[in-house]
Amino acid sequence: DGGITQSPKYLFRKEGQNVTLSCEQNLNHDAMYWYRQDPGQGLRLIYYSQIVNDFQKGDIAEGYSVSREKKESFPLTVTSAQKNPTAFYLCASRTGGPNYGYTFGSGTRLTVV
Amino acid sequence: DQQVKQNSPSLSVQEGRISILNCDYTNSMFDYFLWYKKYPAEGPTFLISISSIKDKNEDGRFTVFLNKSAKHLSLHIVPSQPGDSAVYFCAASASRSGGSNYKLTFGKGTLLTVNP
Repeated sequence: DGGITQSPKYLFRKEGQNVTLSCEQNLNHDAMYWYRQDPGQGLRLIYYSQIVNDFQKGDIAEGYSVSREKKESFPLTVTSAQKNPTAFYLCASRTGGPNYGYTFGSGTRLTVV
Repeated sequence: DQQVKQNSPSLSVQEGRISILNCDYTNSMFDYFLWYKKYPAEGPTFLISISSIKDKNEDGRFTVFLNKSAKHLSLHIVPSQPGDSAVYFCAASASRSGGSNYKLTFGKGTLLTVNP
């Protein structure tokens, strides 16, 4: 079955350490996205990529970095510069024209202690 | 500036009754709207969508209504079931934005609780 896989489900890191969240899709989707969910904040866009080797900042990109070396993969690195990294991170992908929604992964809960 | 607003953080209804979730938007460029359902610690799943050329779309127990003049849409669930209890996100995109990125802008979500 096609889908998006995020790993790990839960991640703990010490403050000051960089951490990379994995996102892999086998849907042959061109565009991929990273969102962050905080209580009462909804989903906020961190980074997105429309094609391989290209990506753009979203609304809250500070303290994060991404790469898109392969169509299937869009890893997100949470750097030590991110002031409040503890959150639920969601990866999504989509294809087609404007009237197509996202397919989401199951998310990664990152806790920084 | 919040372009998609869900002003009710929570809603509680009895099983079998109608649930109405509301969403307002401010960006006139939005022309495609979606509703997603999310359980705790899981990714959102697509529920139903509507294009701005329509004012209603129905799929089983779920109906979405769009009022373009009021920049308002609503999701109706009839009859409501306990399994519908989840957070519901309204989302919008602007296909004519020129950026061709078709980003979705999400509201903050409404927690629906359906009581048996």
